[in-house]
Amino acid sequence: AQTVTQSQPEMSVQEAETVTLSCTYDTSESDYYLFWYKQPPSRQMILVIRQEAYKQQNATENRFSVNFQKAAKSFSLKISDSQLGDAAMYFCASGANSKLTFGKGITLSVRP
Amino acid sequence: NAGVTQTPKFRILKIGQSMTLQCTQDMNHNYMYWYRQDPGMGLKLIYYSVGAGITDKGEVPNGYNVSRSTTEDFPLRLELAAPSQTSVYFCASSQWTSGGPAYNEQFFGPGTRLTVL
Repeated sequence: AQTVTQSQPEMSVQEAETVTLSCTYDTSESDYYLFWYKQPPSRQMILVIRQEAYKQQNATENRFSVNFQKAAKSFSLKISDSQLGDAAMYFCASGANSKLTFGKGITLSVRP
Repeated sequence: NAGVTQTPKFRILKIGQSMTLQCTQDMNHNYMYWYRQDPGMGLKLIYYSVGAGITDKGEVPNGYNVSRSTTEDFPLRLELAAPSQTSVYFCASSQWTSGGPAYNEQFFGPGTRLTVL
């Protein structure tokens, strides 16, 4: 069984600044992946970044990076140089056996 | 490739009515999924399918039925709609092989917003 917890319902960041979104998870699986998805007002689910649990190196995709702390079961997303287009709902998710478990999400607003 | 398509985009039902949400993928993926997203919440798995003719329950299957007669199509049936089924429904697909990586990326459709009054 997998659970994903996102305890912050909302966050705000100034344009061009950096923001970190928090996520904790729990799983009984030994082989799993972690993800951050972005959902803009269009509702489309967009994969932002993914992390294989067996890899110690933190994943990076352009302005997006993660801080993966396996022992603490923590998986935070850092967005650098925030842009207005980053405003969206962000979901943390855990995947194993080809199934995903999502957190409740966090709404990120970007102030111009 | 169109990816994952869903119809309709919006629908309003009366309590007790039935309807089918359509989902089609053109990527020849073996796995397909149905999720629901309630306001302010994450997605919850309703049903999934590992291939044509094989389906299984997810976390919240009550009030729904599915079938998978082809690789491409995975319709979701709502019988006797209730206000608690007001939600946004997402279909997704992925290609996954047992014994392979723990997970392969799921590709999502644009969603169907359903309101039951």
